Amino acid sequence: AQKVTQAQTEISVVEKEDVTLDCVYETRDTTYYLFWYKQPPSGELVFLIRRNSFDEQNEISGRYSWNFQKSTSSFNFTITASQVVDSAVYFCALSGKETSGSRLTFGEGTQLTVNP
Amino acid sequence: GAGVSQTPSNKVTEKGKYVELRCDPISGHTALYWYRQSLGQGPEFLIYFQGTGAADDSGLPNDRFFAVRPEGSVSTLKIQRTERGDSAVYLCASSLSGWTGKFFGPGTRLTVL
Repeated sequence: AQKVTQAQTEISVVEKEDVTLDCVYETRDTTYYLFWYKQPPSGELVFLIRRNSFDEQNEISGRYSWNFQKSTSSFNFTITASQVVDSAVYFCALSGKETSGSRLTFGEGTQLTVNP
Repeated sequence: GAGVSQTPSNKVTEKGKYVELRCDPISGHTALYWYRQSLGQGPEFLIYFQGTGAADDSGLPNDRFFAVRPEGSVSTLKIQRTERGDSAVYLCASSLSGWTGKFFGPGTRLTVL
């Protein structure tokens, strides 16, 4: 079965600090996709990134970066120089052929609070 | 509009009533999904449409839940004989295909009294 674990329920940082959100996944698929979504207080899930299982290169987008390590089944998300607007719940998700290929299995989410 | 839209944004109903929740996907997106999110939890998959047909409905909790997408665009999630446990935010998402990034709507908050 597929499973996504986000061990950090809540994280609180002060503005400008770097913060890393952890994500560990389980799947029997050899082909799968990993995702991160942001859910601000308004409630709408915002797509941040999709990564396929064959591409282990780290990715950077502005202040956001993602570290994918197949050896440890992890797909961690780092925000550099955090800002108050980064405060949200962040979800890691997984999809693979085991569950029709398009069905997302979400973690429980990490509530990030960035204090001024 | 450019994004996924859902109506109504809020729905309050009484136990035992029937409700319909509507989703308008992004134009041109053939894949459409329904998820349910309870307070403090991650979204849980309900059903996935590819075009007009339900490609995967294994997430529907029981036969009180049903969804349609008759013309391959707008979808309606229907819940019969609502129960208090059905209270949640119902999220709709769409994507170009099953494997591409999924874009979510703002959700419908359903409260069953």
